[in-house]
Amino acid sequence: DVQMTQSLSYLAASPGESVSISCKASKSISNYLAWYQQKPGEAYKLLIYSGSTLQSGTPSRFSGSGSGTDFTLTIRSLEPEDFGLYYCQQYYEKPLTFGSGTKLEIK
Amino acid sequence: EVQLVESGGGLVQPGRSLKLSCAASGFTFSNYYMAWVRQAPKKGLEWVATISTSGSRTYYPDSVKGRFTISRDNAKSSLYLQMNSLKSEDTATYYCARHIATRGGYFDYWGQGVMVTVSS
Repeated sequence: DVQMTQSLSYLAASPGESVSISCKASKSISNYLAWYQQKPGEAYKLLIYSGSTLQSGTPSRFSGSGSGTDFTLTIRSLEPEDFGLYYCQQYYEKPLTFGSGTKLEIK
Repeated sequence: EVQLVESGGGLVQPGRSLKLSCAASGFTFSNYYMAWVRQAPKKGLEWVATISTSGSRTYYPDSVKGRFTISRDNAKSSLYLQMNSLKSEDTATYYCARHIATRGGYFDYWGQGVMVTVSS
């Protein structure tokens, strides 16, 4: 199985700052990577797929980069509504696997 | 607006069975693969099952293969997950998700989830 590692389980930042969340695959997954956001009381939301393609409705301050084994989700100029949990997921092969999540909190 | 609403969760004893349902609306259900994803308390996400548009093909990870069965009723826009021989490690919130079947696939819409607790 492809193991997905999000090395930072917790990240604190202030509104207006930029942050990057990393995700590493145990083998090359090309760009078959998605990013999700979860906020308390809300459904999971797809932010990015194919490593860098924004899902419809995802604000342009979000961007994804990477290919192979190393990926990054960057949020420029944090807004209050951006705080929550972020997960990466590989879909290069089954079983589909997720990272352990990174919690982004307000500093 | 895409809506996915899960139901059927609850407390069940180890070794027993439970069936989850997901009512879909806001899109042409029969055109999409569908899936179940779960999240154990304080744990990460785990893909549980996927079903093709017609229901003819199903996919599972080894952790649930042979115990769980995913099915769908396109006439009712409904997705199901039959869970048998439940174990304590199946305790989780179960999410219904629309599955975009590119390569292995990712999930573009999720329900709010339903809790399943396996305990004696």
